[in-house]
Amino acid sequence: AQKITQTQPGMFVQEKEAVTLDCTYDTSDPSYGLFWYKQPSSGEMIFLIYQGSYDQQNATEGRYSLNFQKARKSANLVISASQLGDSAMYFCAMRERNDYKLSFGAGTTVTVRA
Amino acid sequence: EAQVTQNPRYLITVTGKKLTVTCSQNMNHEYMSWYRQDPGLGLRQIYYSMNVEVTDKGDVPEGYKVSRKEKRNFPLILESPSPNQTSLYFCASSLNMDRVDTEAFFGQGTRLTVV
Repeated sequence: AQKITQTQPGMFVQEKEAVTLDCTYDTSDPSYGLFWYKQPSSGEMIFLIYQGSYDQQNATEGRYSLNFQKARKSANLVISASQLGDSAMYFCAMRERNDYKLSFGAGTTVTVRA
Repeated sequence: EAQVTQNPRYLITVTGKKLTVTCSQNMNHEYMSWYRQDPGLGLRQIYYSMNVEVTDKGDVPEGYKVSRKEKRNFPLILESPSPNQTSLYFCASSLNMDRVDTEAFFGQGTRLTVV
């Protein structure tokens, strides 16, 4: 079964607007961590933001924030004030306590329009 | 500078010709791992290593081998590459796997084409 689901293959957003990238996950482990990565066209994986399953508050890092809804098992990434440099593929990933890997979603391609 | 270095970045090879993709980290990390990235599938783990001489299969190990003779190096070996192994490969390392919030450091990626 898919552990991480990203239902949006691609999205367009206007420069300076906010965009929300959806991520739902599936786990029975009470201890887990959720990560978002950015992959620009150059190919490298850039860590953006982390949310732990026991964290009471939603994580924020600059223009990135994570809308964590534990009961719904969703961890949506919000990018505020989009910039042209935000055009990239974005991956949601999960690390479960009893697993030795990151489980990744299929990714969402974001294109920022001027 | 703390980093994970993969080589080569790009490789085109022919079916059946053995190849090795190298991965080296300079952070004294215990844990290292290989992933492959394919369109629509995200990244999937091939093999991982918890420490020197300790390796184990990930989700898609068929057709791959690894070794961990030194802490810093974790090469990925394709003994007889096939076209279905055409993919983007990533090496990653972490200090350990004791905590779920342990950050993973990724290499730059190796784009492999098997013809």
